[in-house]
Amino acid sequence: GAVVSQHPSWVICKSGTSVKIECRSLDFQATTMFWYRQFPKQSLMLMATSNEGSKATYEQGVEKDKFLINHASLTLSTLTVTSAHPEDSSFYICSANPALLAGPDTQYFGPGTRLTVL
Amino acid sequence: KNEVEQSPQNLTAQEGEFITINCSYSVGISALHWLQQHPGGGIVSLFMLSSGKKKHGRLIATINIQEKHSSLHITASHPRDSAVYICAVSPGTASKLTFGTGTRLQVTL
Repeated sequence: GAVVSQHPSWVICKSGTSVKIECRSLDFQATTMFWYRQFPKQSLMLMATSNEGSKATYEQGVEKDKFLINHASLTLSTLTVTSAHPEDSSFYICSANPALLAGPDTQYFGPGTRLTVL
Repeated sequence: KNEVEQSPQNLTAQEGEFITINCSYSVGISALHWLQQHPGGGIVSLFMLSSGKKKHGRLIATINIQEKHSSLHITASHPRDSAVYICAVSPGTASKLTFGTGTRLQVTL
């Protein structure tokens, strides 16, 4: 149980295009999902907190118009990187909090999506 | 100074050795997480603890709330334990995690 999937697992796109990454909780409902970014050999950096049915809360320095987050259902959150540029190339990871099952501190992580922008 | 500090940053061990990774934090927390990240990138949650000690197979995690310190121990280490181990703390507000920089473990035969 408590599986989080991400799709795609990797994507290569041209500069200027938009890329959508999906994060799904497969066997539980997630009222809150988190999006992280990880640069090579660095730790995870929280980008935004996504709550079902409301606008995402972005961390300082993260452009909300560039990284669009939609949490349309209790099992799906999407991150869209708009007008991607090579500096957006990174590893994007989501996590989901099954608050009803395990309390606010529990997070289950997705396998990540590697984005390469040419 | 980072709110979450891990040591060592890099660790090489021979198969069978007992391994300890340390995590110190400077903020009040409601929970501390130990995560494992393999070279492919996926993250597995190993432990979440707020007091005492937890054990799962060859892995043991301890936390001392008063000293703001946690340790992750691996007994009888194996090459498949090679990964980056990340300590993260939950400050208790909005479930946001603050991450350490990770400890890169390499276990050799």
